[in-house]
Amino acid sequence: NAGVTQTPKFRILKIGQSMTLQCTQDMNHNYMYWYRQDPGMGLKLIYYSVGAGITDKGEVPNGYNVSRSTTEDFPLRLELAAPSQTSVYFCASSYGGDRSNQPQHFGDGTRLSIL
Amino acid sequence: KQEVTQIPAALSVPEGENLVLNCSFTDSAIYNLQWFRQDPGKGLTSLLLIQSSQREQTSGRLNASLDKSSGRSTLYIAASQPGDSATYLCAVIGEYGNKLVFGAGTILRVKS
Repeated sequence: NAGVTQTPKFRILKIGQSMTLQCTQDMNHNYMYWYRQDPGMGLKLIYYSVGAGITDKGEVPNGYNVSRSTTEDFPLRLELAAPSQTSVYFCASSYGGDRSNQPQHFGDGTRLSIL
Repeated sequence: KQEVTQIPAALSVPEGENLVLNCSFTDSAIYNLQWFRQDPGKGLTSLLLIQSSQREQTSGRLNASLDKSSGRSTLYIAASQPGDSATYLCAVIGEYGNKLVFGAGTILRVKS
């Protein structure tokens, strides 16, 4: 049981390039989330999904896109990388939604630098 | 808008000390409050979840309390060990909101 797996662990991009951060979970969780964590700051929600085919914006969605074609996978896409997107990105999943009192399970993160 | 503040930002203590980490939130209408641990280069691990109707939760050497009316929570760590060194984050879900709002965390170092 691997939990939440994120790839890659590290990446350096040039301004304007695009890339996809991968996230997969093997716990059959319906709810999945993408957060970013900037130095000295708390995590901020980018996008979330309550099930396959359903996604919604979080607090900081600009510059990102997501899709959820399967229960297991929730990739995050950066179309035109900007220096402001330099951050650590975390994917998380949970059995129930935020009001279910079920904890979220986190991946180890992707450290992304835009130069 | 809900804001979560954690004090202190960093803490260094000798092994064996009992310590308290503080978390405050601006809107007392919360659904639950959660404490997480984050090790360097790793994701977050859920430690304790306190529902709004509860006053405290305990897990081993950890005890978290919640005072909704004053907008405060504390995480008490008994008999600290070097293995407790990590960043501790608290997060709340609003009573009428639906997503976690995180504090910036407290970086804890326990010296042997």
